[in-house]
Parts: sequence; C-alpha cells; structure tokens
Amino acid sequence: NAGVTQTPKFRVLKTGQSMTLLCAQDMNHEYMYWYRQDPGMGLRLIHYSVGEGTTAKGEVPDGYNVSRLKKQNFLLGLESAAPSQTSVYFCASSLSLRGQYFGPGTRLTVT
Amino acid sequence: DQQVKQNSPSLSVQEGRISILNCDYTNSMFDYFLWYKKYPAEGPTFLISISSIKDKNEDGRFTVFLNKSAKHLSLHIVPSQPGDSAVYFCAASASSNYQLIWGAGTKLIIKP
Repeated sequence: NAGVTQTPKFRVLKTGQSMTLLCAQDMNHEYMYWYRQDPGMGLRLIHYSVGEGTTAKGEVPDGYNVSRLKKQNFLLGLESAAPSQTSVYFCASSLSLRGQYFGPGTRLTVT
Repeated sequence: DQQVKQNSPSLSVQEGRISILNCDYTNSMFDYFLWYKKYPAEGPTFLISISSIKDKNEDGRFTVFLNKSAKHLSLHIVPSQPGDSAVYFCAASASSNYQLIWGAGTKLIIKP
C-alpha cells in the first residue's frame, strides 16, 4: 500500500518547455487535488477532481491543465512553463474533504 | 487577502513543556478546521480536526480549541517531544465547497 505517489521528485525546465506531473493513489479515493507551495505561503489549490472524468479549478489554475482519466491517477500539465511556476507541487487524495493524504511533493524549477 | 493566518512563523519550546500554535481566520462561512504537520521533503500529514459545532477536540497529546466569536483556533501539544519539531499548517473549509484554505505555517522547534 503505497498511498499517494508523485513522479518525478525533481525537475528543471527551461521557460516555454512543457511537462506533466503524475499523481497516483491506491486507496480508492474519489477526490484528488493538486497544490503548489511557495516560500512563506500556505498550500494553494491549483485544480481538483471529485471523481473519474471530472476536474475543477481551484484558487490558482492559470497556466495549468489537469486530467483524471482513471480514478487512481491525476495528471497536472504545464503547457509552457514560466519562472513564476517554480514551486513545490503536492498531490493529495481523500474520501471526503476531511483528512487529505499527501504525496511527497515534486520540486520544479523553471529557468 | 489571507483568509487563514498563522502570525508566528516560528516557535521554540522546551521538551516536556506545552506548545501552543495559533491560527486566525476571517471567513465566517468556514465550518471545519484542520491541522497538518509537515517534515522537510515530505508531504503534510493530517493531525487533528474540529467542526464548528464543537469548541474542543482532543487526540492523545494534541488538543485543538476553537473560539468562533474570535475566529481563532489553537493547537496544544502536551508534553512536547523532539519528534514534534516540524511545520504546522492550519487549514479551513466551508461545507459549501471542496477547497481547503491554508495558513502559511508555523515552524515548531522543540529544544532538548
């Protein structure tokens, strides 16, 4: 039982490049979330999903896209990376809003 | 506009004493509050929560107090242990949506 896993753990991109972050959970949770954490700030919700095939915008969705084709996976895409997207990205899943389970994070640097 | 504020970036406490972490919120629609703990290079882990219908919730060494009139909650850790050294985040939600709003975190350092 791995919980929530994130791939990759680290990545460096050049401005304008694209990439996809993968989140996988093996707890059969309906809800999945993508957050970003920046220094001196709390986690901010980028996008979330309340079930397979559904996605919704969070607090800071601009510059990101997501897909939830399978219940256990939630993908976060950056089509054209910008330095402002340098951050640590966390994926989480939950049965309900209470008690989200988090992955270990992906540290992304955009130069 | 920060809806959830943790005004102390860091807190240092002697091992064995009580640690008190504070959190203030501005949105009166928030009705559920959570505390998470985060170690370096790991994701946050859920610690304890409280519904707005209660004013106290206890789980072992951890107690959360909610003062709705003051829009304030606090996390008490008694007694504090070295393994409690971490960043603690307060988060809040309104039952009308799925979003958690997070504070900036307080770094707790337990001194031996």
